[in-house]
Amino acid sequence: QVQLVQSGAEVKTPGASVKVSCKASGYTFTSYGISWVRQAPGQGLEWMGWISTYNGHTNYLQKFQGRVTMTTDTFTSTAYMELRRLRYDDTAVYYCARGPFGHFDHWGQGTLVTVSS
Amino acid sequence: QSALTQPPSASGSPGQSVTISCSGTSSDVGGYNYVSWYQHHPGKAPKLVIYEVSKRPSGVPDRFTGSKSGNTASLAVSGLQAEDEGDYYCSSYAGSNNYVFGPGTKVTVL
Repeated sequence: QVQLVQSGAEVKTPGASVKVSCKASGYTFTSYGISWVRQAPGQGLEWMGWISTYNGHTNYLQKFQGRVTMTTDTFTSTAYMELRRLRYDDTAVYYCARGPFGHFDHWGQGTLVTVSS
Repeated sequence: QSALTQPPSASGSPGQSVTISCSGTSSDVGGYNYVSWYQHHPGKAPKLVIYEVSKRPSGVPDRFTGSKSGNTASLAVSGLQAEDEGDYYCSSYAGSNNYVFGPGTKVTVL
């Protein structure tokens, strides 16, 4: 069965970076893109960006341009999302989600990133 | 792109129906037949319940129905059950490999 398993919770100080991983199994990794979506406390879902697992092409939401990098390792079927220059309002649960075009059919369990001094 | 618009809450008694709207623009909801809906319970991963406006993934009961008219999409849940309680988010493709979510609607089964 399709599974996306994410790395564990992180606590970071403001200005630091965090890198979250998302290991896929149960399907051909390069057949579906991966999106990253976050949910801040008490807030809704926010799409952050997308990466093609086939050729590495990315598209980031403008508000994250320059601070986020999404990558993949096709040998280990793992996607990564690195967010730099962390701010307090980056505290959120970060999800990876598999994307057939137009929607997200399988999601990781989420990774809580807490930004605190 | 701007977030889509959803009502903050909706409710119904067991067995009744509830409908949630999702309003966007011609650049997202109205421009593409790629509206999807997700059920989200706190502490769990979101679950896809409708994709491409009205298609149901395998395993999602036919009590869940999606539709779209112009720039507004809707999710109807009929025969409400206790397990339908949760947050529901709409999402739309917005062109150029961009996606946008609505703010979510909290569904309460009375």
